[in-house]
Amino acid sequence: SQTIHQWPATLVQPVGSPLSLECTVEGTSNPNLYWYRQAAGRGLQLLFYSVGIGQISSEVPQNLSASRPQDRQFILSSKKLLLSDSGFYLCAWSVRDRNTGELFFGEGSRLTVL
Amino acid sequence: GNSVTQMEGPVTLSEEAFLTINCTYTATGYPSLFWYVQYPGEGLQLLLKATKADDKGSNKGFEATYRKETTSFHLEKGSVQVSDSAVYFCALSDLFLHDMRFGAGTRLTVKP
Repeated sequence: SQTIHQWPATLVQPVGSPLSLECTVEGTSNPNLYWYRQAAGRGLQLLFYSVGIGQISSEVPQNLSASRPQDRQFILSSKKLLLSDSGFYLCAWSVRDRNTGELFFGEGSRLTVL
Repeated sequence: GNSVTQMEGPVTLSEEAFLTINCTYTATGYPSLFWYVQYPGEGLQLLLKATKADDKGSNKGFEATYRKETTSFHLEKGSVQVSDSAVYFCALSDLFLHDMRFGAGTRLTVKP
């Protein structure tokens, strides 16, 4: 069966520090991968998605970046965090080339920037 | 563009009460509609979906009917349980999942 893991689960970082959130998927090949941010009281905002290794599409301008160094690994990074980067970050995957509507989400990573 | 509007929460109900969470959408094409649920401390998981007008999605006692004439996809359950306490998200997707649009979420608390 397929599984998706994110880490760390919780992170407290000072303003201006770097960030690296990791996500890995197991049990499937060639998934589409996504990073979402969930701010308190708001819906999910798609940050990045990837349809293959090295292929990253950005949905919103920000000081975050994403990389996909391996087929089932997706990394969210920042060189210098802002207070506004605080939130709950969710990684997700979907089956390539099939719009079944099902996104499979990880457990989430809660980031607090102080 | 496409968008989803769902009723604001929080919603607090007693066990065995009837639940309705309203969701309306705006779309230029013929989207598929979804309800996702997020239990405390977890990621989202698909609850049910409908891919065309008049379809009814159902799962775990929850139901929602795709109403094109009213552009709605309201979530209902006849008798809620404490274990249904979660945040519920309405969503729509047109051609691609990276175009999926989520509502703001409705927090449901069920008290025994």
